[in-house]
Amino acid sequence: EPEVTQTPSHQVTQMGQEVILRCVPISNHLYFYWYRQILGQKVEFLVSFYNNEISEKSEIFDDQFSVERPDGSNFTLKIRSTKLEDSAMYFCASTLRTRSADGYTFGSGTRLTVV
Amino acid sequence: KQEVTQIPAALSVPEGENLVLNCSFTDSAIYNLQWFRQDPGKGLTSLLLIQSSQREQTSGRLNASLDKSSGRSTLYIAASQPGDSATYLCAVKGRETSGSRLTFGEGTQLTVNP
Repeated sequence: EPEVTQTPSHQVTQMGQEVILRCVPISNHLYFYWYRQILGQKVEFLVSFYNNEISEKSEIFDDQFSVERPDGSNFTLKIRSTKLEDSAMYFCASTLRTRSADGYTFGSGTRLTVV
Repeated sequence: KQEVTQIPAALSVPEGENLVLNCSFTDSAIYNLQWFRQDPGKGLTSLLLIQSSQREQTSGRLNASLDKSSGRSTLYIAASQPGDSATYLCAVKGRETSGSRLTFGEGTQLTVNP
């Protein structure tokens, strides 16, 4: 079964550093997402991406966040200057279509720890 | 704004019991509802996807029902096993935004005791 792949599985970074989280969505999917889950809290939507641009973002996704599809397979989330409160599990997801009944496929996540 | 609530927050049962997890949502304008399983510190594994036009979906010992008009879904687990111990998340895909984001509940933490 096709998978969404995320790397690294765990990243530790110092406060103020830039981090890039990487994802390889399912190859024929067209819509890509980032979600995050702070320990003990709900999974929260960050951003959706289609046709090389952001289609929707949440209030969490401020100027320190950016997303990019640098080539035909990778989808990245960059956090420009990490804060302690950015520590969370970050999930990438993809779906074939958005305004439809298609389900989401999630990656296994990247645990980001900011120290 | 869509809100998703799951009850109970935690559940502990002896092996072999049948159990029901509940999910409610405030906006019935949805494309579908997905149930996920999450093991501690791990990713989200999709268990069942139920479309807005469907009433239920089944996979093995799992059965999910959906009553869109009342904003409720249940996940029924038959003959529970210790390996079912995990957190179960309910998420709805809404029609209210262009990106059709998923809105998640807080989850039900299930422990099945041998």
